[in-house]
Amino acid sequence: DVKVTQSSRYLVKRTGEKVFLECVQDMDHENMFWYRQDPGLGLRLIYFSYDVKMKEKGDIPEGYSVSREKKERFSLILESASTNQTSMYLCASSLPWRDSNQPQHFGDGTRLSIL
Amino acid sequence: GQNIDQPTEMTATEGAIVQINCTYQTSGFNGLFWYQQHAGEAPTFLSYNVLDGLEEKGRFSSFLSRSKGYSYLLLKELQMKDSASYLCAVRISNRGSTLGRLYFGRGTQLTVWP
Repeated sequence: DVKVTQSSRYLVKRTGEKVFLECVQDMDHENMFWYRQDPGLGLRLIYFSYDVKMKEKGDIPEGYSVSREKKERFSLILESASTNQTSMYLCASSLPWRDSNQPQHFGDGTRLSIL
Repeated sequence: GQNIDQPTEMTATEGAIVQINCTYQTSGFNGLFWYQQHAGEAPTFLSYNVLDGLEEKGRFSSFLSRSKGYSYLLLKELQMKDSASYLCAVRISNRGSTLGRLYFGRGTQLTVWP
């Protein structure tokens, strides 16, 4: 089974802190994604990566950055945390779309609270 | 942008059949996925459609009509454990891209009553 592991289930940080969320997958997937999920808004894509050191902005990249130094690891960085970044953060990975029926596989999520 | 619509909430009773609809207006369509998400848990993959027609997988089936921009997820013999949010997601692929990102609907919260 595909395993996507996020470093923390719950995290509490203070406004202005630099926050790192880590995600590791064990299936040698090329693609990795970071989403946030808020009530009534669904899943929104923050950033994604299709290869090591490659990244693309999603729909809501402001206030975030990412790092992908190794194929299995994709990090989300909140440069200076703000209260409106309190949310559930979900990491996912997948094979390239040419493997057309392969879905994205999600981690368990990190519930981040910014005080 | 991409527009994906699904009902916010649905209720049904144990043993019944429920159909969750999803309509989409997108460009570069390259497949539609359904996910199930229990409260506080990760979304898990249920089904995939890229061609018109019905895909059956046990108690769950998914239908796609590309010309109508329409899909539904059919759940039969409902059980209490089927109470969850069901997410419709459309994959969009641009010419030459190998990525194929997903656009998600806001999810349909299904409550199954005894």
